[in-house]
Amino acid sequence: NAGVTQTPKFRILKIGQSMTLQCAQDMNHNYMYWYRQDPGMGLKLIYYSVGAGITDKGEVPNGYNVSRSTTEDFPLRLELAAPSQTSVYFCASSRQDFSYNEQFFGPGTRLTVL
Amino acid sequence: AQTVTQSQPEMSVQEAETVTLSCTYDTSENNYYLFWYKQPPSRQMILVIRQEAYKQQNATENRFSVNFQKAAKSFSLKISDSQLGDTAMYFCAFMKRAQGAQKLVFGQGTRLTINP
Repeated sequence: NAGVTQTPKFRILKIGQSMTLQCAQDMNHNYMYWYRQDPGMGLKLIYYSVGAGITDKGEVPNGYNVSRSTTEDFPLRLELAAPSQTSVYFCASSRQDFSYNEQFFGPGTRLTVL
Repeated sequence: AQTVTQSQPEMSVQEAETVTLSCTYDTSENNYYLFWYKQPPSRQMILVIRQEAYKQQNATENRFSVNFQKAAKSFSLKISDSQLGDTAMYFCAFMKRAQGAQKLVFGQGTRLTINP
């Protein structure tokens, strides 16, 4: 059981470039999330999904897009990267049952935009 | 909107001492969960402890316990017999009960250092 996996671990982008951060989970969780963590700060929700084909915006969605074609995968797309998107990105997943609501996090992707 | 505030950016204690991390939150909700997450230098987010708002009894997990004061909207974490491996960033987080996804709102974090 790998849990939540993210690739790549590190990436440096030039301003204006695009990339996709990959996230996969093997726990059959319906709910998946993308967070960003800026230096010295807590995590902020970018996008989330309650199931395949269903996504919605979180607190800081501008500059990002997501898709959820399968239960397992939840990629995050950055279009036209900007220095303000330099951050650590975490993917997480959880069960649908609110009484068992622990979110399991991936190891994170450190992204630098220069 | 819910907000979570951690007023201690950094704390430092000696090994084996007890330390308490503070957290306050603002919400109009009555049914919610509160969490403490640990983030060691590896960056991995690890759940330390969880508290359901409708439960009056404070949650405990081995050396970790909370002091949940619902009326005061306060949720502090006590670490007893602190160990070097407790050195990490600690985040307080809020989750409300609602239809759909369970979104976490995080505080800014407290950097805890355990000194030998």
